[in-house]
Amino acid sequence: EAQVTQNPRYLITVTGKKLTVTCSQNMNHEYMSWYRQDPGLGLRQIYYSMNVEVTDKGDVPEGYKVSRKEKRNFPLILESPSPNQTSLYFCASSELAGLHPIYNEQFFGPGTRLTVL
Amino acid sequence: AQSVTQLGSHVSVSEGALVLLRCNYSSSVPPYLFWYVQYPNQGLQLLLKYTSAATLVKGINGFEAEFKKSETSFHLTKPSAHMSDAAEYLCAVSYRNKLVFGAGTILRVKS
Repeated sequence: EAQVTQNPRYLITVTGKKLTVTCSQNMNHEYMSWYRQDPGLGLRQIYYSMNVEVTDKGDVPEGYKVSRKEKRNFPLILESPSPNQTSLYFCASSELAGLHPIYNEQFFGPGTRLTVL
Repeated sequence: AQSVTQLGSHVSVSEGALVLLRCNYSSSVPPYLFWYVQYPNQGLQLLLKYTSAATLVKGINGFEAEFKKSETSFHLTKPSAHMSDAAEYLCAVSYRNKLVFGAGTILRVKS
């Protein structure tokens, strides 16, 4: 089954304790992205990757890191989490389409609900 | 920069009534536009997308949307609401290498 998986689905942690949220897709997609969803703000992009070893900042990258060492995996790293990073996080992937990669449907994971105390 | 405005954070309709969810975008170039649906505790699922082939776009579950360039709108409609349509609906516009989302509209369907 074609899917995007995220782990963990739920996480409660404390300020300053480093954490990683994993994301994996089995569709051989070049493009992967992380979003956070907050009430009244919709989804905002954190980071995206056009391919292996190619990553770039989205709209809200502060406090986050990513890496793309393999095509299927795109982990999100919070080096020193703070309470304002409490949110619902989504990973997504899609095929590239020439000069306009977001022409294609993005496939979303089920989400990770993070609480930072 | 692109932006998306969804008018109405909450919309309530009766079962069998028309569903109309509004989306306006700002774009300096011809846009690609999307509607996604999010059911509780689930990820997002694509409902439909506009890519300039036709102004009236049909999607899954009986939804459709009409692109109106003069109004910079891409409103989502369904002739008859069903209880299973209760969800959050998000409009998005493509911009460079990302999707820019609106704040979302939560649809409630009353029996």
